Amino acid sequence: QQQVKQSPQSLIVQKGGISIINCAYENTAFDYFPWYQQFPGKGPALLIAIRPDVSEKKEGRFTISFNKSAKQFSLHIMDSQPGDSATYFCAASSNDYKLSFGAGTTVTVRA
Amino acid sequence: KAGVTQTPRYLIKTRGQQVTLSCSPISGHRSVSWYQQTPGQGLQFLFEYFSETQRNKGNFPGRFSGRQFSNSRSEMNVSTLELGDSALYLCASSHGGDPGYTFGSGTRLTVV
Repeated sequence: QQQVKQSPQSLIVQKGGISIINCAYENTAFDYFPWYQQFPGKGPALLIAIRPDVSEKKEGRFTISFNKSAKQFSLHIMDSQPGDSATYFCAASSNDYKLSFGAGTTVTVRA
Repeated sequence: KAGVTQTPRYLIKTRGQQVTLSCSPISGHRSVSWYQQTPGQGLQFLFEYFSETQRNKGNFPGRFSGRQFSNSRSEMNVSTLELGDSALYLCASSHGGDPGYTFGSGTRLTVV
């Protein structure tokens, strides 16, 4: 069963808009939460990651918000650009040398 | 700095055959992981190796196996291929203590 639930499955946003992707988990042993970006024909690329002792982390136009009590975390893409059109995966790890991935969100940015 | 290199990029095999995929991690990375990506199941963890030792294994049948060499390069093998094994197989590497994995572009395996 999926240990990390991701929504929505897909979203369309206008150029300059904000894309928001949400993930939820049950395993409280998870202590590392990365987001990956994948373009067609390529492997996933690490975008940004957060640990549970931080509620928010920002890198450029990408921000992770983390709510430990709700066991939820989200990715915000600010000022979305056509080049951001890709599939985004949230993931979680509990120091067991593996990543549990969400199902992915396909983001389309319309010019 | 070279990334994670996977060979071959594409492979077509017949049901019942076996296949070996290769992965060269980023220089200095000692941890190598393998994932299977399919439209239906998404990204599924296969196994992880560090210094030639398997530290974790996913829920895949014994037909899926792997190994790591002393230079950190890794191979995975799938025996008695089934149609459902058609997938993108991804290799990822990291320093070992850091879960920030870098993925290769994958090997696209098609079983006919």
